[in-house]
Amino acid sequence: LAKTTQPISMDSYEGQEVNITCSHNNIATNDYITWYQQFPSQGPRFIIQGYKTKVTNEVASLFIPADRKSSTLSLPRVSLSDTAVYYCLVGGPNTGGFKTIFGAGTRLFVKA
Amino acid sequence: SAVISQKPSRDICQRGTSLTIQCQVDSQVTMMFWYRQQPGQSLTLIATANQGSEATYESGFVIDKFPISRPNLTFSTLTVSNMSPEDSSIYLCSVDDRLYGYTFGSGTRLTVV
Repeated sequence: LAKTTQPISMDSYEGQEVNITCSHNNIATNDYITWYQQFPSQGPRFIIQGYKTKVTNEVASLFIPADRKSSTLSLPRVSLSDTAVYYCLVGGPNTGGFKTIFGAGTRLFVKA
Repeated sequence: SAVISQKPSRDICQRGTSLTIQCQVDSQVTMMFWYRQQPGQSLTLIATANQGSEATYESGFVIDKFPISRPNLTFSTLTVSNMSPEDSSIYLCSVDDRLYGYTFGSGTRLTVV
């Protein structure tokens, strides 16, 4: 399983765009990149998933360069409620199916 | 996406006792996963539970300490056995919800005294 490296923490202000980059140098050909958000006292929540290039949904964008050794989660115009821990995960199907290993995550703190 | 009901949401237990955590999913899923999250830390995978077979445990976790049942495709239990204060943590179950990544239960906050 590919190991991921993210910044431990980031600060931002309301209304700013936040970009969180994750390194995954050993990503395998069949691995997908998935980002989760976790608030205190809750389980992680799926944000976005991608394989290559760019993926966008109603809450975020995910940018993946051609070599796929890194990815960037982009949160447009963050608000105080986006303060949370963000996890980058890399994984794919194995013998029994997907197996998800969490890294340390990035604590995002949004200030007013 | 799948909806997971996890019980209990929290408990305070005496050391040496056991607690069984239940995870109910509103749809049939092949694999269910159990995680532990210690205060301020990331999630650590305990085991993967397939229906009809023995659970697969990650390094550092053993069946005697964390027995898992998976009687059908919508339900699983994790038991934390012979608890010590070091077992105080949040325990979460998860399922592979292909369209939405992995969906997690809200967790069980366990305190061992």
